[in-house]
Amino acid sequence: SAVISQKPSRDICQRGTSLTIQCQVDSQVTMMFWYRQQPGQSLTLIATANQGSEATYESGFVIDKFPISRPNLTFSTLTVSNMSPEDSSIYLCSVDGSSYEQYFGPGTRLTVT
Amino acid sequence: GIQVEQSPPDLILQEGANSTLRCNFSDSVNNLQWFHQNPWGQLINLFYIPSGTKQNGRLSATTVATERYSLLYISSSQTTDSGVYFCAGGDNAGNMLTFGGGTRLMVKP
Repeated sequence: SAVISQKPSRDICQRGTSLTIQCQVDSQVTMMFWYRQQPGQSLTLIATANQGSEATYESGFVIDKFPISRPNLTFSTLTVSNMSPEDSSIYLCSVDGSSYEQYFGPGTRLTVT
Repeated sequence: GIQVEQSPPDLILQEGANSTLRCNFSDSVNNLQWFHQNPWGQLINLFYIPSGTKQNGRLSATTVATERYSLLYISSSQTTDSGVYFCAGGDNAGNMLTFGGGTRLMVKP
């Protein structure tokens, strides 16, 4: 199984500011996924990040709001830009294991005031 | 895209009881997984099960791909089983997953 860490684990931010979330994996992986979990809700995929190419965004998510970097096979960042209270969520990164099962990081709990 | 529906949305059990959680999906999936989100928010992969039956301790899962549903069985439930159970489906292994709404389970001592 993959071991995934995320930084920060939680943050409280003011509206209008930006926050960059880091995701580190202990092994090289082709694809990394970023999900959002709004309070009391299920998970929604934001984008898929492949190393060396632009991230692929799902409907309702745009690069200007959620820019993603994927500089190498073990690391990715997600930035939440120009935040509003509606962006308060848990943000999770995930990767595929060797047998296609998906593993998740511990998440970043974001509160926007 | 694929739609994933889970039932029941909420479930309360007495410790030691058994339960069955259901996941229906709108289209064929080649990638079906079950997850447990504990009260601290950590998501744990329980099963990768696009078809057939798997067992891991007190948990087992069965996917009937031709009928587009999957079942998760919890036997002799314990308080540590509390949390939210999600199923998620996708077109292909190694691709993105669409999550169901989850089943929120509370096991009382």
